[in-house]
Amino acid sequence: GAVVSQHPSWVICKSGTSVKIECRSLDFQATTMFWYRQFPKQSLMLMATSNEGSKATYEQGVEKDKFLINHASLTLSTLTVTSAHPEDSSFYICSARLLTYGYNEQFFGPGTRLTVL
Amino acid sequence: GQSLEQPSEVTAVEGAIVQINCTYQTSGFYGLSWYQQHDGGAPTFLSYNGLDGLEETGRFSSFLSRSDSYGYLLLQELQMKDSASYFCAVRVKNNQGGKLIFGQGTELSVKP
Repeated sequence: GAVVSQHPSWVICKSGTSVKIECRSLDFQATTMFWYRQFPKQSLMLMATSNEGSKATYEQGVEKDKFLINHASLTLSTLTVTSAHPEDSSFYICSARLLTYGYNEQFFGPGTRLTVL
Repeated sequence: GQSLEQPSEVTAVEGAIVQINCTYQTSGFYGLSWYQQHDGGAPTFLSYNGLDGLEETGRFSSFLSRSDSYGYLLLQELQMKDSASYFCAVRVKNNQGGKLIFGQGTELSVKP
């Protein structure tokens, strides 16, 4: 149980285009989802927290107009990287929170590797 | 803000025991989690400490001292497959039920 999927697993796009990444909780409902970005050999940097049906809360330094997050249902959140540039190339990982025995455990998706040419 | 410190890399041999330390400075602290990540993969949950003390899960144990803002992950009977990056992460309060902030990660290399 508690499986989180992401689609696509990798994507290559041209500079200036927009890319949408989907994150789904497959066997549970997630009221809260998180988006992280990870550069090679570095930590997972939290980009934003999204709750179903409300606006996402972005971390300091993350451009909300560049990284659009939509959490339309309890099982789906999307991240759209708008007007992507080579510096946006990274590994994007989503996470969904499951309330278990009073502890909010986060389960991570397999990640999406974005390469912007 | 939050800050976490853990060693960047650790090397050990098969069958050995290794301890990865993590110190943190944060406000609104709920607890300390540990995650394992193999190259190119998703982080997988290993352990969580919300209270002081030791939590044991098979070959892995985790410890927390809230008064010292310190925790560690202990890996016993190391196997080659344990070679991975290990992240400590603090769970901190926000207006949406909490969020995880990750440390920089410790790359563990297990040698034969």
